[in-house]
Amino acid sequence: DSGVTQTPKHLITATGQRVTLRCSPRSGDLSVYWYQQSLDQGLQFLIQYYNGEERAKGNILERFSAQQFPDLHSELNLSSLELGDSALYFCASSLSAGSQPQHFGDGTRLSIL
Amino acid sequence: AQSVAQPEDQVNVAEGNPLTVKCTYSVSGNPYLFWYVQYPNRGLQFLLKYITGDNLVKGSYGFEAEFNKSQTSFHLKKPSALVSDSALYFCAVRDMGNYGQNFVFGPGTRLSVLP
Repeated sequence: DSGVTQTPKHLITATGQRVTLRCSPRSGDLSVYWYQQSLDQGLQFLIQYYNGEERAKGNILERFSAQQFPDLHSELNLSSLELGDSALYFCASSLSAGSQPQHFGDGTRLSIL
Repeated sequence: AQSVAQPEDQVNVAEGNPLTVKCTYSVSGNPYLFWYVQYPNRGLQFLLKYITGDNLVKGSYGFEAEFNKSQTSFHLKKPSALVSDSALYFCAVRDMGNYGQNFVFGPGTRLSVLP
């Protein structure tokens, strides 16, 4: 058990809808990362927060947004969903923003119908 | 820009034989290097990392990796493979001096250990 909790585990919705994925980091970790994993794109880094502040941005679409709250949990918001957004979304956390390894949750599987 | 290559999509090895999963990287500065393993329907699990120091790094479950700066490689090894090692393995790199960049993961190598 990594200590990172992601909810929900599965999400099925339709095109054009909006969803929110939630992540509770491992106790004591200040940094949260979001990744998208799909068969054709592999594991893509989306965005990182450190202690509530955005630290780094990757290949995150404008339709997607995230935030980290004062209690350090994070949410990833996906809007105007398209079929191509179907993927596994992972949250990871680490103690700091530097060389510490990331600890991954088990992901949220998003299916767009 | 930083990048990671895992030249083999699939590696097959017999149980009890040594295994190697290859990784090469490209960064402008000095690298932080990591290996992760992913089992079906699970998140990635950290195996080991190289930050600085000894080029041979030992990690979880008997895995080790060798950092080779001249070849920009960080190959994952295990002396004797187990069937339970069958999984998807990811190499990741981060440029040590550039906090605006983040971890870049390789495409993954599927390891199959045959009984």
